[in-house]
Amino acid sequence: NAGVTQTPKFQVLKTGQSMTLQCAQDMNHEYMSWYRQDPGMGLRLIHYSVGAGITDQGEVPNGYNVSRSTTEDFPLRLLSAAPSQTSVYFCASLAGGNNEQFFGPGTRLTVL
Amino acid sequence: GENVEQHPSTLSVQEGDSAVIKCTYSDSASNYFPWYKQELGKRPQLIIDIRSNVGEKKDQRIAVTLNKTAKHFSLHITETQPEDSAVYFCAASSYGQNFVFGPGTRLSVLP
Repeated sequence: NAGVTQTPKFQVLKTGQSMTLQCAQDMNHEYMSWYRQDPGMGLRLIHYSVGAGITDQGEVPNGYNVSRSTTEDFPLRLLSAAPSQTSVYFCASLAGGNNEQFFGPGTRLTVL
Repeated sequence: GENVEQHPSTLSVQEGDSAVIKCTYSDSASNYFPWYKQELGKRPQLIIDIRSNVGEKKDQRIAVTLNKTAKHFSLHITETQPEDSAVYFCAASSYGQNFVFGPGTRLSVLP
């Protein structure tokens, strides 16, 4: 049982490049989310999903796209990277309702 | 939308003393309030949570209290140890959706 996995661990992009951060979970959780964490700050919700085919925006969705075609996977796409998107990105999942949210190990992204 | 405030931003205590971190929230629809511990370079990990139908919950040295009327909840750590040093985040959610986190408290336990 791997829990929540994220790839890559580190990534450096140039301004304007696009990329996809991968997230997968093997706990059959319905709910999945993407957060970004900037230095000295809490986690801010980018997008979340309450099931396959259903996504919704969080607090800071601009510049990011998501899709949820399967229960297991929830990729995050950066359409045209900007230096302001330099951050640590965490994916998380939970079984639904008021249950424990499990986080992946994070992806550290630097945009030059 | 929901707004979560957290105080203090930094907290230093002597080993063996107690630590208290307080959070307030704005949305009365929020009904789930978890606390996370994050060590440097690691992912956040749940340490305790409370649901809106409960006023207090305790797990060994850690307790959380919730006051729904005042919209605030607090984390209490007793008999602090050096390994309790970390950043602690509170959060609020409604039925597991749209989590909003506080800005965090850096706790240092001095030996």
